[in-house]
Amino acid sequence: AQKITQTQPGMFVQEKEAVTLDCTYDTSDPSYGLFWYKQPSSGEMIFLIYQGSYDQQNATEGRYSLNFQKARKSANLVISASQLGDSAMYFCLQGGSEKLVFGKGTKLTVNP
Amino acid sequence: DTGVSQDPRHKITKRGQNVTFRCDPISEHNRLYWYRQTLGQGPEFLTYFQNEAQLEKSRLLSDRFSAERPKGSFSTLEIQRTEQGDSAMYLCASSQLAGETQYFGPGTRLLVL
Repeated sequence: AQKITQTQPGMFVQEKEAVTLDCTYDTSDPSYGLFWYKQPSSGEMIFLIYQGSYDQQNATEGRYSLNFQKARKSANLVISASQLGDSAMYFCLQGGSEKLVFGKGTKLTVNP
Repeated sequence: DTGVSQDPRHKITKRGQNVTFRCDPISEHNRLYWYRQTLGQGPEFLTYFQNEAQLEKSRLLSDRFSAERPKGSFSTLEIQRTEQGDSAMYLCASSQLAGETQYFGPGTRLLVL
């Protein structure tokens, strides 16, 4: 069975600083994808970044990058130059077959 | 570009009533997923469709829940004889192919009194 662990229920960061949100996963699938989504207080789930298990390079999307360490089964999200609008819940997910398996999320608060 | 839409956005109902939610996926997406999210938790998978075929149902989906996607486009999720424990956010997502990025709608917040 797939399992996602996000060990940080809450994180705080100062505006304009970088922050790393941790995620570890456990799967026996030979091929899989790792996703990060952002959920602001409005409730909508917003796709941020994707990393394929066979991708050689870490994924980047603007201020978001994924620190993928396959051997350690970790897929940490790095947000650079935090903005107030980054305050939200962040979910790490693994998908490889059909459905997405969500972690419990990390609540990020960006302080001015 | 229209994303995934859901209707209604909010629903308040009394215990024992039936409710139906609608999801319109991104037009070229074959896969459609339903998730449920309770307060303070991550979303939990309920069911998904490949075109009009319902391929998997979670055990969370009791016999009071039914989902359809009759023409392979929009989908409905019906809850019969609602209970207070059904209060949650119901999220719909779609993707073009299996394993690809799922794009979510804004969700339907259900409150059962």
